Amino acid sequence: DVKVTQSSRYLVKRTGEKVFLECVQDMDHENMFWYRQDPGLGLRLIYFSYDVKMKEKGDIPEGYSVSREKKERFSLILESASTNQTSMYLCASKGGSQPQHFGDGTRLSIL
Amino acid sequence: DQQVKQNSPSLSVQEGRISILNCDYTNSMFDYFLWYKKYPAEGPTFLISISSIKDKNEDGRFTVFLNKSAKHLSLHIVPSQPGDSAVYFCAASLQTGANNLFFGTGTRLTVIP
Repeated sequence: DVKVTQSSRYLVKRTGEKVFLECVQDMDHENMFWYRQDPGLGLRLIYFSYDVKMKEKGDIPEGYSVSREKKERFSLILESASTNQTSMYLCASKGGSQPQHFGDGTRLSIL
Repeated sequence: DQQVKQNSPSLSVQEGRISILNCDYTNSMFDYFLWYKKYPAEGPTFLISISSIKDKNEDGRFTVFLNKSAKHLSLHIVPSQPGDSAVYFCAASLQTGANNLFFGTGTRLTVIP
């Protein structure tokens, strides 16, 4: 069974801080994704990666960057956190043509 | 601009009855559609999918119907159970297995015992 693990369930940070959200998958999937989920907006894709060191912008990449140094790990970075980045962040991984498998999410609050 | 829409934010159904969740899309190039279920404090889990070459796909109590001319799909759950209470997201992609999924805003289903 696919396991996608997000390092924190809840995180509270201050405006202007640099924030790292970590995600690890154990199925050797090529593709990994970061979404945010907001009420009334559904899931919106921030970035995805189809291979180590490769990344593609999603629908809302502004204010975010990502890092994929190893196949199993995909990090989302908020360069300078702002209050409008308070949200639920979801990581997913996917192998081949299979559906995406999601982690349990990180609820991030920016004060 | 939301390309996948779920116009009903919530739905309540009696246990044992049918639940019908609806989803509309605007992009006629979408070729593959999925439904995910999400419980509170958990990530979405894949439920069922359908390719545009089909108009129906069934998996146990869950059936997805696709009407390409109307750009509409629906998820039927029969019979509904209290454990089905969750938020359901539909999603679409331009081809089977594509990385870029377009999600709807979700419908919260409550199954009343």
